[in-house]
Amino acid sequence: QSALTQPASVSGSPGQSISISCTGTSRDVGYYNYVSWYQQHPGQAPKLMIYEVSNRPSGVSNRFSGSKSGNMASLTISGLQAEDEADYYCSSYTRRSTVVFGGGTRLTVL
Amino acid sequence: EVQLVASGGGLVQPGGSLRLSCAASRFTFSSYAMSWVRQAPGKGLEWVSSISGSGGSTYYADSVKGRFTISRDNSNNTLYLQMNSLRAEDTAVYYCARAYPVPGTTNYYYYYGMDVWGQGTTVTVSS
Repeated sequence: QSALTQPASVSGSPGQSISISCTGTSRDVGYYNYVSWYQQHPGQAPKLMIYEVSNRPSGVSNRFSGSKSGNMASLTISGLQAEDEADYYCSSYTRRSTVVFGGGTRLTVL
Repeated sequence: EVQLVASGGGLVQPGGSLRLSCAASRFTFSSYAMSWVRQAPGKGLEWVSSISGSGGSTYYADSVKGRFTISRDNSNNTLYLQMNSLRAEDTAVYYCARAYPVPGTTNYYYYYGMDVWGQGTTVTVSS
């Protein structure tokens, strides 16, 4: 099972918006609406930011939003803040009843 | 506070075995699917295995199938990962994680997302 494809890094200035793409196949991202996004700060466990493509768990800022088109999902962060600097991972359920993660994207807030 | 505490990691020789545990507290453990996710040093997240709330269904990544066994003891609120035939490439921090309880649903499947994570336990496979 190949990992989902994410850009290695993205950057933005405080207040700007950025998007992180997550490209899969018709056997995972394109087939199910079970795409999740996680934020991980150094030395910490991941934190769920988005589930089922575009839903935010309670307590997650509405600056975080998710979407999907075909085999590609996206995470958008608006109004960038210094605390958003972290690694971000997407994941998807697959037709083989497994879960696959993306390779991760490092977000730098300039 | 809902909590997961992982333990059991350590240094093991190639070909050896190790059993990880994950103690859950302050939620109805048996209602939630649970998963193990690992992260090799300096690398990304890799899903390892998941188990349904009842323990009747289990799922594995190809990289560990046939070598690792996930199980749970709902009477003691504990998740396990038995790891056999360990390889150098199994070296990682292993996290246990709970399935997210999607509002409006009663079955919390492992693929909904993972909302509560343990602190991680480190497994090092080396001679």
